[in-house]
Amino acid sequence: DIQMTQSPSPLSASVGDRVTISCRASQSISSYLNWYQQKPGKAPDLLIYAASRLQSGVPSRFSGSGSGTDFTLTISSLQPEDFATYYCQQSYSTPYTFGQGTKLEI
Amino acid sequence: QLQLQESGPGLVKPSETLSLTCSVSGGSIGSSGHYWGWIRQPPGKGLEWIGTIYYSGSTYYNPSLKSRVTISVDTSKNQFSLKLSSVTAADTAVYYCARRNTYSSSGGYYFYYYMDVWGKGTTVTVSS
Repeated sequence: DIQMTQSPSPLSASVGDRVTISCRASQSISSYLNWYQQKPGKAPDLLIYAASRLQSGVPSRFSGSGSGTDFTLTISSLQPEDFATYYCQQSYSTPYTFGQGTKLEI
Repeated sequence: QLQLQESGPGLVKPSETLSLTCSVSGGSIGSSGHYWGWIRQPPGKGLEWIGTIYYSGSTYYNPSLKSRVTISVDTSKNQFSLKLSSVTAADTAVYYCARRNTYSSSGGYYFYYYMDVWGKGTTVTVSS
């Protein structure tokens, strides 16, 4: 199985900050990387797919980059509704695997 | 607008079989290129992919669960289902169903998969 490791966790930030969450794969996964946001008691929401493609309806302050083994999710200016847990997930091969999550705290 | 809804017992006894159904509305489960899957999340923990199915019946399972998992599809009811046998307390989790979508690039040479529509999730507790 491909292991996905996120950092940091947790992450403390303030409204208006630019934040970066990192995700590293245990082997090269090209651009087969997705990012999800999950709020307490809710299902995950897709933010980014194929490493850098913004899902329809997701605000443009979210962006993704990277390829191979190292990936980044960036939020350019934190909004109050962005405080949540973020997961990366590889779709290079089954079993699809997720990172352990990064909780973004005020 | 596509919606998914999980249903099934919220309490299952140890050693018994967990059975859940995901009902798809606002779209067809037989739509080309879409797979349908199950993901679970134990209390306070991260996400674990269980498996996916195509409307034709083709399946992919997580090897860690493969001996206990069966995912099936009923196109006439626009539903797909999960069965997990011989459950233990470790199977206590929120279970989500989701659609796996596909993005193709470079003239269809590369195919990227992602889960873009999720159900709200259903909590299953394994306890006697």
